[in-house]
Amino acid sequence: DAGVIQSPRHEVTEMGQEVTLRCKPISGHNSLFWYRQTMMRGLELLIYFNNNVPIDDSGMPEDRFSAKMPNASFSTLKIQPSEPRDSAVYFCASSSSRALSYNEQFFGPGTRLTVL
Amino acid sequence: DAKTTQPTSMDCAEGRAANLPCNHSTISGNEYVYWYRQIHSQGPQYIIHGLKNNETNEMASLIITEDRKSSTLILPHATLRDTAVYYCIVRAISSGSARQLTFGSGTQLTVLP
Repeated sequence: DAGVIQSPRHEVTEMGQEVTLRCKPISGHNSLFWYRQTMMRGLELLIYFNNNVPIDDSGMPEDRFSAKMPNASFSTLKIQPSEPRDSAVYFCASSSSRALSYNEQFFGPGTRLTVL
Repeated sequence: DAKTTQPTSMDCAEGRAANLPCNHSTISGNEYVYWYRQIHSQGPQYIIHGLKNNETNEMASLIITEDRKSSTLILPHATLRDTAVYYCIVRAISSGSARQLTFGSGTQLTVLP
């Protein structure tokens, strides 16, 4: 099992540019989460999906952020336009909630985003 | 979800047991205690979870007090690779619908040689 796959691993861009982060969840998992981690705010949830449907996007900072999950094996997090304060490590996680399970979440390696 | 309180940092000698405490005095009857850890530059990793009974797996043991208001994660023989931030999270389980994790500040465990 390859685990949760995120790309790119590192992204450096200039303010105002569009940034797209990608995530491939573990096969068979039906829940997907996007988190952001900074020194100041720690690890915070941005949005999560169940069965490809967004359930809670209250953590999305503002309209510049958008997330999609067109199918069970792919999700994107887009920032347009990007700003220096968006610099952070962005994690994607997936879990299975079909059975009465404990909903263990498996995290990807993260994408380190730097906006200049 | 109930709030948790953890010490900011702890040290442990290599080969000794690391005991990480967590207070969750407002925990509800349907809420589980989860532990995750995050090694530097990696994503968080699930360790263990429990409801009211003590639990053990290949990574750690979880001791939950009888009143469920606090718990302790035990790494029986800490190694240098166990140096990480350890997060205690309390969350209810919803059948058929995943719920998000709310991470606090965690405890920075440093295993010393």
